[in-house]
Amino acid sequence: DAGITQSPRHKVTETGTPVTLRCHQTENHRYMYWYRQDPGHGLRLIHYSYGVKDTDKGEVSDGYSVSRSKTEDFLLTLESATSSQTSVYFCAISEFLPSGGAPYEQYFGPGTRLTVT
Amino acid sequence: QQQVKQSPQSLIVQKGGISIINCAYENTAFDYFPWYQQFPGKGPALLIAIRPDVSEKKEGRFTISFNKSAKQFSLHIMDSQPGDSATYFCAASMNTGFQKLVFGTGTRLLVSP
Repeated sequence: DAGITQSPRHKVTETGTPVTLRCHQTENHRYMYWYRQDPGHGLRLIHYSYGVKDTDKGEVSDGYSVSRSKTEDFLLTLESATSSQTSVYFCAISEFLPSGGAPYEQYFGPGTRLTVT
Repeated sequence: QQQVKQSPQSLIVQKGGISIINCAYENTAFDYFPWYQQFPGKGPALLIAIRPDVSEKKEGRFTISFNKSAKQFSLHIMDSQPGDSATYFCAASMNTGFQKLVFGTGTRLLVSP
């Protein structure tokens, strides 16, 4: 999985509790992404980061926040978990892509399965 | 404008047959179209990708066909093998500094022995 680890790999939590998922990379890639994967929806972008302390919202960002204090770590926080946030969460990384140049591959981590009861 | 529509949702093909998965997009600004393969319990991995300046790209048994005027692209898996059984996602992005990928909903392929 291209030097990407996610922790925890599995978590069960109760509604209303905060949850933090961690993504760690050893590739020194500039861009990092958080997706959620749900049946019938494919993968949807939650938040992404284009550098240390530089983050932006994706398609489904409500109820989620992120932080990136180091190049290698990208944290996803569910501020108050809800049952609708039960999902598999994937972190991905990619390198800087000069405009017009060949696209760089986006590498995915192994995923975190989160269940909110 | 941001959607990528993928079909079929699931597909069963006999060993040695051809698997075909189709995708359609709306946003004409998309200019990079990758296909990802995902095995159970794993993250997606890039399989093959195409830019709109070509109509076809082949890598081994995997071929992408691209129809710019119809805004459609498809994945063909020739001589399908049981080891190809996985979920396949098409995606699209604009070539602007980083990959903000928009994914299709996925196709679960089962290749029967």
